Amino acid sequence: EVQLVESGGGLVKPGGSLRLSCAASGFTFTSYSMNWIRQAPGKGLEWVSTISSIVTYTYYAESLKGRFTISRDNAKNSLFLQMSSLRVEDTAVYYCARGLGAKAFDIWGQGTVVTVSS
Amino acid sequence: SYVLTQSPSVSVAPGQTASIACGGKNIGSKNVHWYQQKAGQAPVMVVSDDTDRPSGIPERFSGSNSGNTATLTISRVEAEDEADYYCQVWDGSSDHPGVFGTGTKVTVL
Repeated sequence: EVQLVESGGGLVKPGGSLRLSCAASGFTFTSYSMNWIRQAPGKGLEWVSTISSIVTYTYYAESLKGRFTISRDNAKNSLFLQMSSLRVEDTAVYYCARGLGAKAFDIWGQGTVVTVSS
Repeated sequence: SYVLTQSPSVSVAPGQTASIACGGKNIGSKNVHWYQQKAGQAPVMVVSDDTDRPSGIPERFSGSNSGNTATLTISRVEAEDEADYYCQVWDGSSDHPGVFGTGTKVTVL
């Protein structure tokens, strides 16, 4: 079964840091780009970041202004998102998603909740 | 940056057809993908590359894309289709290429 499982979310104070992880299984991880997408409470989906299959390229949402870093460990079938200088507006459910073809997101995890609050 | 606009809500009676529009400048030149998100759940892709339906998605879901509007059509609507629907494109000309639409809430009357 193809599966993505996120972890690492939690409560953090403004200005703090957090590292999210996504464990992939059931498919050849190295064949796919991977993505992070978030959803603030009561809001729509917001694309956060994409990393190519062999880390040739990375992309980030303009709103992040360099505070987040996406990475992957192909040997461990894992995706990461290092988040720093966190703001209240970063509060959201963070989803890991597999990339497909013309940059669609065909498989999603259940998400991990990040709350930034003092 | 590229902007995708959707109507906030659509209401439809069971058995009828729901059309969900996604507007963007010359969107017909891009590949559009659609996602369904039911309350409290992760999104699920229902259409990719304008018209392709992933395995397991009912044939009632179809997509089209031309000019400045892409459309997701749900035929013979069922109660289980009540959800939020989002369009999405990858704007390869941008440094920030991932773009989602604003989302449409489909209510089954």
